[in-house]
Amino acid sequence: KAGVTQTPRYLIKTRGQQVTLSCSPISGHRSVSWYQQTPGQGLQFLFEYFSETQRNKGNFPGRFSGRQFSNSRSEMNVSTLELGDSALYLCASSLSGTSGYQWTQYFGPGTRLLVL
Amino acid sequence: ELKVEQNPLFLSMQEGKNYTIYCNYSTTSDRLYWYRQDPGKSLESLFVLLSNGAVKQEGRLMASLDTKARLSTLHITAAVHDLSATYFCAGNSGGSNYKLTFGKGTLLTVNP
Repeated sequence: KAGVTQTPRYLIKTRGQQVTLSCSPISGHRSVSWYQQTPGQGLQFLFEYFSETQRNKGNFPGRFSGRQFSNSRSEMNVSTLELGDSALYLCASSLSGTSGYQWTQYFGPGTRLLVL
Repeated sequence: ELKVEQNPLFLSMQEGKNYTIYCNYSTTSDRLYWYRQDPGKSLESLFVLLSNGAVKQEGRLMASLDTKARLSTLHITAAVHDLSATYFCAGNSGGSNYKLTFGKGTLLTVNP
């Protein structure tokens, strides 16, 4: 079974631009979560989508947004990029079933974003 | 708000030795996860611990959960170089199954 895929893998942008990152979950997984990883702040939860609805949201400004499509693929968008947005953005998917093990999140390889 | 603290943050071990990584969390978490991250790579799921007293083992790694003490441990037995990586623990927060709060990670280096 293929794992979580993310595109692009690397991205360089300049301040003020916007960026869209894409995530395809493991087949059959309906929940998609996004995390930001930086050396200073570590891993921080951005948001989670299930059935095209945002179900949970972290403490990030409104410049960070996302969406999920009917095939469970997800995109996140960052508008008006700042230098501090440079990070590894990780997408994770889970089955979202009824048993605790089905809540395990499986992570993709990430998109490394550099903002200049 | 859930806070997760790991210690130590850096651990240098010799091959063949045993050691334990500790993960304390501040409020109730329904479950506790352990992940491994190799440099420049993504996170690999190691264990999910669902209840008090849960113990899981895979190879040289064993994880346990004490919900009363709000403590999880990751024990490494007879370390080998291949175990060198960063290990994260995470709990779910805000009553959500999917909003994980991570510790800062423990960078483990196993030396010959």
